[in-house]
This record gives sequence, C-alpha cells and structure tokens, in this order.
Amino acid sequence: NAGVTQTPKFQVLKTGQSMTLQCAQDMNHEYMSWYRQDPGMGLRLIHYSVGAGITDQGEVPNGYNVSRSTTEDFPLRLLSAAPSQTSVYFCASNLQGAYEQYFGPGTRLTVT
Amino acid sequence: KQEVTQIPAALSVPEGENLVLNCSFTDSAIYNLQWFRQDPGKGLTSLLLIQSSQREQTSGRLNASLDKSSGRSTLYIAASQPGDSATYLCAVRNFNKFYFGSGTKLNVKP
Repeated sequence: NAGVTQTPKFQVLKTGQSMTLQCAQDMNHEYMSWYRQDPGMGLRLIHYSVGAGITDQGEVPNGYNVSRSTTEDFPLRLLSAAPSQTSVYFCASNLQGAYEQYFGPGTRLTVT
Repeated sequence: KQEVTQIPAALSVPEGENLVLNCSFTDSAIYNLQWFRQDPGKGLTSLLLIQSSQREQTSGRLNASLDKSSGRSTLYIAASQPGDSATYLCAVRNFNKFYFGSGTKLNVKP
C-alpha cells in the first residue's frame, strides 16, 4: 500500500492564481480530511469528507473548495490564492469510527 | 468549540531521562485521542491511539494515559534517546472533527 499520497510537494503561486492540491489513499478509508499547519500552531481542519459525495466544513474553510467523487481521491482547490494561504497542507484518512488517522507527507505552499 | 492545549511548548532533556508531555482538552465528549510525532519538514507519524473507553495505551518506551473527566492526557517517554527529538502533537476527535494541540518540541541531548 502507498498509504496517503499528496502532490505536489512544493508549490509557489502568485496572488489570485488558482490551483488544486491532490490527495489519494489506497486503504479504502471512508473518512478523508485536509489540514493546514502554520508555524508554531497545530493543525487546523479545513474540510473533511465521510464518504464519496459527502463533504463538510472544518474550522478554517474560507477560500477552499473540496469534492469527493471517489473513495480514493479528495482534492483541495484554492480558488484565488492569497498570501494568508501560505502554509503546509496535510491530507489524512481513516476508517469511519474511532480509528487512527494516517497522514500524507504534506504540500508546502507559498503565495507571493 | 474544542480547545486543545499542550504544555510545555518546548522541552530539552539529557539522554536517558524519563519525561512526560501533557495534553489538555476542554470538551470531554471525545471519541478518541491520538498522539503523533512530527520530524522537521515531515508529515505526522501516529504513535498511540486511545479510545474514549480506555485509560492507557503502551508501545515500547511510550505510554499514553487518558482521563476524559478531567480533560487530560499524558505521553510518558521512558529512557529518552536523541532519536526521540521531534515535535509531539496530540489530537482529539469529537464526532467527525479532529482538533490538534500546537505541539511540544522535544530535544534530547546526547
């Protein structure tokens, strides 16, 4: 199993540009989520999904869109990038229920 | 809204010491609590998962305890080694949402 994979590893955007961060898992996990991690802070939940076709907002959803058309993939879209979205983004997945989360390696995004 | 706090923010100890990292949370209606390790520039590695009905979990030199009623968890590391140097994060799950503390940065000196 590859586990949770994320692409790209690094990305630089200009203010106003859009892009999609990719996340995929091959463990047949129902639950997938996106977090951002800023210096000196813990991870904050952006959006999550409990299954294909079902998504919901986390703590910091503004400026981000998600969709979940398959169990395996959960892309995160930045519609119009802002410097405040400079961060490290992590994708995670777990089986539904009280199971442990597995994390991808992260995407380091810089918006200039 | 769930708030998760980790104390201390940073800790430096000599090799061989036993140490305790603390995690507290404000809403005791949690499904589980998970401890992670994060190395610089890397992702999160799961260390221990404690279900809400459990009091503790052990893995090797690590022992995590959970006291839901008081909103506290501790991660005990025995006989610390330089390879244990990393940031340790705790996360609690309330229904479908996970909340993280800001972490404890541990440095174990040879």
